Amino acid sequence: KNEVEQSPQNLTAQEGEFITINCSYSVGISALHWLQQHPGGGIVSLFMLSSGKKKHGRLIATINIQEKHSSLHITASHPRDSAVYICAVPLIYSGGGADGLTFGKGTHLIIQP
Amino acid sequence: NAGVMQNPRHLVRRRGQEARLRCSPMKGHSHVYWYRQLPEEGLKFMVYLQKENIIDESGMPKERFSAEFPKEGPSILRIQQVVRGDSAAYFCASSPDRPNTEAFFGQGTRLTVV
Repeated sequence: KNEVEQSPQNLTAQEGEFITINCSYSVGISALHWLQQHPGGGIVSLFMLSSGKKKHGRLIATINIQEKHSSLHITASHPRDSAVYICAVPLIYSGGGADGLTFGKGTHLIIQP
Repeated sequence: NAGVMQNPRHLVRRRGQEARLRCSPMKGHSHVYWYRQLPEEGLKFMVYLQKENIIDESGMPKERFSAEFPKEGPSILRIQQVVRGDSAAYFCASSPDRPNTEAFFGQGTRLTVV
């Protein structure tokens, strides 16, 4: 069974700062997901990646399969980026990718103006 | 193509009543997952279904909880004789019938047991 650790648990930063959130997992995976959740809101998928790096606007996600580690970066952070960011990997690595997900506890990010 | 639709968004039930949560997956998606998010806790897997089949229910409590995904209609998560500890946000996600695809989540149903 895969276990996911995220850090930091809480992060407060000033507008414009470069943000990094880290995720480590215990078992080899087919793909890793980064999700965003606003307070009381739904869950939005930001990235799904299995190798290398992906970029979408000011968001960048990287993954190192050998080290079982992924990072989510936010450049030029803005107060609207304030949310919980959650890392998720397949519950059980079967290679098929259709399994349920197991999640990190989330990083509560607050960007102050 | 509408996203994953969950209803109701908010549900209040008295202790002992039944709660029925519905999830309509995205068009073309045949895999449905239910997750629970307890207050101040992370998301936890409950059950994984395909049409008319439960594939993995290892995360579902053995008593009072059941799930189905019939040939026609939405997936239903049913909680019988609800207790205060069932108060949580319940999220549904769906994926198409191929591996390594993005996770598509619904807006969730927030169940409050009073």
